[in-house]
Amino acid sequence: TQLLEQSPQFLSIQEGENLTVYCNSSSVFSSLQWYRQEPGEGPVLLVTVVTGGEVKKLKRLTFQFGDARKDSSLHITAAQPGDTGLYLCAGALFGNEKLTFGTGTRLTIIP
Amino acid sequence: GAVVSQHPSWVICKSGTSVKIECRSLDFQATTMFWYRQFPKQSLMLMATSNEGSKATYEQGVEKDKFLINHASLTLSTLTVTSAHPEDSSFYICSASPPAGANQPQHFGDGTRLSIL
Repeated sequence: TQLLEQSPQFLSIQEGENLTVYCNSSSVFSSLQWYRQEPGEGPVLLVTVVTGGEVKKLKRLTFQFGDARKDSSLHITAAQPGDTGLYLCAGALFGNEKLTFGTGTRLTIIP
Repeated sequence: GAVVSQHPSWVICKSGTSVKIECRSLDFQATTMFWYRQFPKQSLMLMATSNEGSKATYEQGVEKDKFLINHASLTLSTLTVTSAHPEDSSFYICSASPPAGANQPQHFGDGTRLSIL
């Protein structure tokens, strides 16, 4: 059972456009992390959100944790080819160090 | 920042061979490390939690006799794929968290691509 569903699964857009990736669950998480993974490499942490409703910005990336701590979104402004990659959300349940990964969103930015 | 090193990065071997993958935390001690498997075009699936000085905890459906985990020190965990077969071919990734405080993010190794012929 996949606890975290990401949408869209695939996204291909032109450079300069904006996009949003969603991560949804019926479970409540103590924290949620977003990673980006390049082919043949391990995931690289982008951000951790821990408070319901929290918004964090990382340059052109904006991350939001849902008020109920069940969902999150990643918004990219003015996408660039360097943003291409597999984006993964991952949640930790309360009292548990284990991470459950989302289904992933494969993003391609066309120059 | 926290660095996790994985070795080897790529292994190609014959069916029936046992393969050992190492995961090291380079600048912090990790009482717990995690092993994941990732098939092509899929997300990461947790295989097991590696606990220093004790037995690993395996996720449902993962054969503990097939995937042997040893966490003998605070900076090293190993995963041995015993008698590997083509269906074991996958990308194996380890992770570890620095010990201080709650909600510490996991840091990942660069993965090991295992190809069984």
